[in-house]
Amino acid sequence: DGGITQSPKYLFRKEGQNVTLSCEQNLNHDAMYWYRQDPGQGLRLIYYSQIVNDFQKGDIAEGYSVSREKKESFPLTVTSAQKNPTAFYLCASSRTGFSGNTIYFGEGSWLTVV
Amino acid sequence: QKEVEQDPGPLSVPEGAIVSLNCTYSNSAFQYFMWYRQYSRKGPELLMYTYSSGNKEDGRFTAQVDKSSKYISLFIRDSQPSDSATYLCAMSRSLGNTPLVFGKGTRLSVIA
Repeated sequence: DGGITQSPKYLFRKEGQNVTLSCEQNLNHDAMYWYRQDPGQGLRLIYYSQIVNDFQKGDIAEGYSVSREKKESFPLTVTSAQKNPTAFYLCASSRTGFSGNTIYFGEGSWLTVV
Repeated sequence: QKEVEQDPGPLSVPEGAIVSLNCTYSNSAFQYFMWYRQYSRKGPELLMYTYSSGNKEDGRFTAQVDKSSKYISLFIRDSQPSDSATYLCAMSRSLGNTPLVFGKGTRLSVIA
């Protein structure tokens, strides 16, 4: 089945460590996104990519990094510079950039700092 | 003033009730409006998508957009316990180049 796969579902990070969240899609979508969701909060855009080898910062990019070497993959690294990384991370994709009627989300990854 | 305002609830209704969920926005340039449903610990799924003003119906769900009032609504008829979830509104100025702006979501519980 077509969809977006995020892994791992749950991840624990020690202070000072970098961690990478995986996002793979087989929908042949050009655009991919990373959002962060905190309890009781809406989705905030971290990074987005509209084509391979190109990406832009969203509203809260500090402390995060991404790459887009393949159309199917858009991994997110949460670096030690991110001071409050505990959150629910959502990857999404759409046929073209920000085509709201075709955006699909993965199941999310829970990151906890211990 | 935030671009998109949405009452976080929680909203609790009996099974079979009509549910009204709402968002207000401040940016008159928004033209595309979406409603997402998010079950606990899951990713959001697109429920309804509308362009500009008017109504759109899909089964038990109706989305309304009133651009003159900068107000959008989602109505759920004959609500079911399976409708218990968080509902997020989202909107954008154009398709293709501008990010979606999300509301914080309203948590809905439908009690059997």
